[in-house]
Amino acid sequence: KAGVTQTPRYLIKTRGQQVTLSCSPISGHRSVSWYQQTPGQGLQFLFEYFSETQRNKGNFPGRFSGRQFSNSRSEMNVSTLELGDSALYLCASSLTGGGTEAFFGQGTRLTVV
Amino acid sequence: QKEVEQNSGPLSVPEGAIASLNCTYSDRGSQSFFWYRQYSGKSPELIMSIYSNGDKEDGRFTAQLNKASQYVSLLIRDSQPSDSATYLCAPIGGDYKLSFGAGTTVTVRA
Repeated sequence: KAGVTQTPRYLIKTRGQQVTLSCSPISGHRSVSWYQQTPGQGLQFLFEYFSETQRNKGNFPGRFSGRQFSNSRSEMNVSTLELGDSALYLCASSLTGGGTEAFFGQGTRLTVV
Repeated sequence: QKEVEQNSGPLSVPEGAIASLNCTYSDRGSQSFFWYRQYSGKSPELIMSIYSNGDKEDGRFTAQLNKASQYVSLLIRDSQPSDSATYLCAPIGGDYKLSFGAGTTVTVRA
């Protein structure tokens, strides 16, 4: 059974640009959550999508957005990149979200220069 | 007060010893609790889930949950060098969001 797939694995962007990250969940999983991980802040919740609807949202500015498609694949977009957006972005898939087990992809390492 | 607090590390234990990791959480609505292991430069890997008060054992790992005390722990028995990693406590709150502690870094000395 294939795991969670995130693309691309690495990205280098310039301040002010925008970026789109992709996450394909485990087959059959309908919930996808996104997290930002930095050495100083740890793992912080960005948002969760379930059946193409955003069900939960963390405390990030509106520059961070996402969506989920009918096949449960999800994308995350960050506009007007700032140096502080440099981080490891992780997505996690679970059957239904809520109390079900969540499995992480390998992450996308974003560097903003 | 942080939502999820873990004992500060790093925690250094000799090979073969027991590593004890503690976690407290603030959301009394939390019903599901997970432990993740994260190797340096890798993504978190789910190693234990626990939903009911008491102990749950899986191989060398034992998770303990006390909802009344809002406390969850992880014991690693017979610690091996391959257990050297950061361990993340992650309860799911009443809002169904998975929250993470800062993690406890464990180093197993050969």
